[in-house]
Amino acid sequence: GNSVTQMEGPVTLSEEAFLTINCTYTATGYPSLFWYVQYPGEGLQLLLKATKADDKGSNKGFEATYRKETTSFHLEKGSVQVSDSAVYFCALSNQGGKLIFGQGTELSVKP
Amino acid sequence: NAGVTQTPKFRILKIGQSMTLQCTQDMNHNYMYWYRQDPGMGLKLIYYSVGAGITDKGEVPNGYNVSRSTTEDFPLRLELAAPSQTSVYFCASIDRYGEQFFGPGTRLTVL
Repeated sequence: GNSVTQMEGPVTLSEEAFLTINCTYTATGYPSLFWYVQYPGEGLQLLLKATKADDKGSNKGFEATYRKETTSFHLEKGSVQVSDSAVYFCALSNQGGKLIFGQGTELSVKP
Repeated sequence: NAGVTQTPKFRILKIGQSMTLQCTQDMNHNYMYWYRQDPGMGLKLIYYSVGAGITDKGEVPNGYNVSRSTTEDFPLRLELAAPSQTSVYFCASIDRYGEQFFGPGTRLTVL
């Protein structure tokens, strides 16, 4: 079946550090891949997405590349800010828009 | 557009009580979803709907019911609340580009 695995958190970084959150997936066919962000007390917001192999999604300085050969979609940012502190979810969509989520990775950025 | 709205924001139920979580979207999306988010976990799909009059089970449907009489509304019904249903519930809809829009969530506690 379809599944998503993320690196466990919490991840604690200092401001301006480099961020990588690993995400790997198992899926039949050719899923679309997403990163969602959840700020405290709020719902999920789409951060970026990629719909086919080798696509790179990017938004607000975050990037992720759809790697079919390694079934991965790692999230990166070159210089994190305190305002990036949130929970990040990797997800895939294969049929009818139904999303399958990873367990989430909490990021805490200290000044 | 208000997007996806949910009511109530918070609710405490006693075991065996029933309630309906309301969800409305004003974007004329056909596809709508209900997810639950347990602490430290990703979201799991409860039910979904591909249009008015059509609903189907997701990954964790037991203990819940839904209806979809209009495009805008997709209420979730808990008939006999149990402590295992303590969770945060998110409603979402999807646009024609595959992006899901989430409501702010309903935090439910069953005691």
